[in-house]
Amino acid sequence: GQQVMQIPQYQHVQEGEDFTTYCNSSTTLSNIQWYKQRPGGHPVFLIQLVKSGEVKKQKRLTFQFGEAKKNSSLHITATQTTDVGTYFCAGHLLRGGSQGNLIFGKGTKLSVKP
Amino acid sequence: KAGVTQTPRYLIKTRGQQVTLSCSPISGHRSVSWYQQTPGQGLQFLFEYFSETQRNKGNFPGRFSGRQFSNSRSEMNVSTLELGDSALYLCASSSTTGGTAEAFFGQGTRLTVV
Repeated sequence: GQQVMQIPQYQHVQEGEDFTTYCNSSTTLSNIQWYKQRPGGHPVFLIQLVKSGEVKKQKRLTFQFGEAKKNSSLHITATQTTDVGTYFCAGHLLRGGSQGNLIFGKGTKLSVKP
Repeated sequence: KAGVTQTPRYLIKTRGQQVTLSCSPISGHRSVSWYQQTPGQGLQFLFEYFSETQRNKGNFPGRFSGRQFSNSRSEMNVSTLELGDSALYLCASSSTTGGTAEAFFGQGTRLTVV
């Protein structure tokens, strides 16, 4: 079946270091969303990318959507302790639109050492 | 406006029992999806409802069922509970079922089966 693979599963960084998580789909995606889940919390929507090759920035976070719309990445510059949490990518299949076709990666758990 | 509300927040049940979880979506949202989150499997899609109709269903046994009411509130039911059903159950609502809809998650119901 359709899968969205996300790596790495865990990432430990020193505060101030950069962090990147990668997302790869076996199927072309209509769009991709990114969520952040703080420890003990629930996933919170960060951003959505729709266009091939799209790049979006939110302060220290940079999101990219691949040209083939099968992969995506989230890069955090100069991590802070507030960045701690699990980052999920979630892709909508090309011909699906409902939440039922929103396939989540297993997430990358980021820990930041002060 | 109020976010997605899930009740109860915590539940402890015994194997073989059944349980009903409730989700009130954001006002005006008609799409409600349910996810099971476990440390090993990540976020797994259970089902999606839109206008009281199940639109999509994940790969879960028939013990897992749901419904949606005319006010968009949704319930999910798990019968004959098994130890492996212990998980965080998350409900997400969105304004449409189109491919650009972001999901707003509730805080989840933590179910423990003993």
